[in-house]
Amino acid sequence: DVKLSESGGGLIQPGESLRLSCTASGFTFANCAMAWVRQAPGEGLEWVASVDDGGEASFYTNSLKGRISTSRDNSRSTLFLELSGLRAEDTAVYYCVKDRYCGSGFTYVFDLWGQGALVTVSS
Amino acid sequence: DIVVTQSPATLSVSPGDKVSLSCRASRSIAARLAWYQQKPGQAPRLLIYEASTRATDVPVRFSGSGSGTEYTLTISALQSEDVAVYYCQQYHNWPPVTFGQGTRLEI
Repeated sequence: DVKLSESGGGLIQPGESLRLSCTASGFTFANCAMAWVRQAPGEGLEWVASVDDGGEASFYTNSLKGRISTSRDNSRSTLFLELSGLRAEDTAVYYCVKDRYCGSGFTYVFDLWGQGALVTVSS
Repeated sequence: DIVVTQSPATLSVSPGDKVSLSCRASRSIAARLAWYQQKPGQAPRLLIYEASTRATDVPVRFSGSGSGTEYTLTISALQSEDVAVYYCQQYHNWPPVTFGQGTRLEI
């Protein structure tokens, strides 16, 4: 079964950090660029980060630069997102997504989505 | 950044209707446009990429068209399970890729 499963969400205090994990199954994770897309409650979709298949090139939305990092462990088919200095406006469902093209580079077309991890930033 | 604007924000529809959703980019995106469907409580699902190519297992009633800055998602004969929010996304100029604000279909 081709699947992405996020974990690590929950209620987090303002100013703290979070680390989300995404475990992939059913496809050759190491061949595929991956990304994170978030959705604030009742709002639209916002791309936040992408990483290439080897984990050597990462790109981030400008609004989170300095607070965000994404990495991957291809031996465990796992993608990570770290976000520091959390604010109320970071409250969202964070989706792990797969790039449509599995080879060298990015397409930024997302053909597989996880179920999402809800992150709530509140005191 | 390229701004993507969808219209209308909400559309009231009936089963069997032909439905057209619009997406406009702030500059030409050379058909680098995808459409996603998000049903309530679910993750988005890729429907269309390269403006007009259906993704795997997407029913043929969904079609995409357009060029330059103007794009359309058409549902030829709406079914009740098509009630969802539809998002377009440009990937011509990245980072960042940008999404429209969505069009909600309601019956």
